[in-house]
Amino acid sequence: KTQVEQSPQSLVVRQGENCVLQCNYSVTPDNHLRWFKQDTGKGLVSLTVLVHENDKTSNGRYSATLDKDAKHSTLHITATLLDDTATYICVVGDRGSALGRLHFGAGTQLIVIP
Amino acid sequence: EAAVTQSPRNKVTVTGGNVTLSCRQTNSHNYMYWYRQDTGHGLRLIHYSYGAGNLQIGDVPDGYKATRTTQEDFFLLLELASPSQTSLYFCASSEGGSSYEQYFGPGTRLTVL
Repeated sequence: KTQVEQSPQSLVVRQGENCVLQCNYSVTPDNHLRWFKQDTGKGLVSLTVLVHENDKTSNGRYSATLDKDAKHSTLHITATLLDDTATYICVVGDRGSALGRLHFGAGTQLIVIP
Repeated sequence: EAAVTQSPRNKVTVTGGNVTLSCRQTNSHNYMYWYRQDTGHGLRLIHYSYGAGNLQIGDVPDGYKATRTTQEDFFLLLELASPSQTSLYFCASSEGGSSYEQYFGPGTRLTVL
C-alpha cells in the first residue's frame, strides 16, 4: 500500500506563475519530511526538510509547510522558471535513528512552458 | 561538495545475464544505499550498508546481491537478470541513518531484454 501520495501527478504552468504541490502520507511515526527535485535523467537533490509540527521552510523561490496532525505537506514554487521543469518527490522518514526507513512518493512532474 | 558517482550510466543485458552496477562516494559517509525507480512508484530500497563489509536487506531485495568493499564503494549484483529488473537504479550515501540527508548519484538505466 502506498504510504506517500502526491498530487497532482503532473502539472503544466507558464513561466512566472506560482504553483503548489501536495503530499499526503500515512507513515507512522513521521520523524521528518523532505522534498527533492529530480531533473530528467538525474539524481535527486534535496530542496528542504521539515521536522516539527507546523514547520515552515523557505529556500529561495521554494517554500514548504508541514502539518503533522493532518499528515500533509505542501511545496510552493513562486515565479516559476523554465529550469523548474522536473519531478518533485516527497519523502517521509519514519524514525530519527539508523533503524528508520524513508518512504518515497511517486512524484509530481512539473512542466514550465514559456 | 558531496559526490556520488555511478557506472555504467546505461546497460543493456539479456535475460539470465550477469550484471554489476558500481557506486562510489567521496563524502566519507558511513551509509550507502541502492534504490530502484519505476514509473508510477516511489524509489524502493534494495539494499543498504553502514560500513565496509556490512550489508543490510532493504524492502525489495529479491534477485539482488550487494557488496560494500570499502567505505567508498558499493556494488549491486544481478546474477541472473530478468526483465522485471529493467529499471532506473540510484545509489545514495549519507553520514548517518535515515534522518540524515541522502546524496544521490546520477542513476544507471538497466534494460533486461
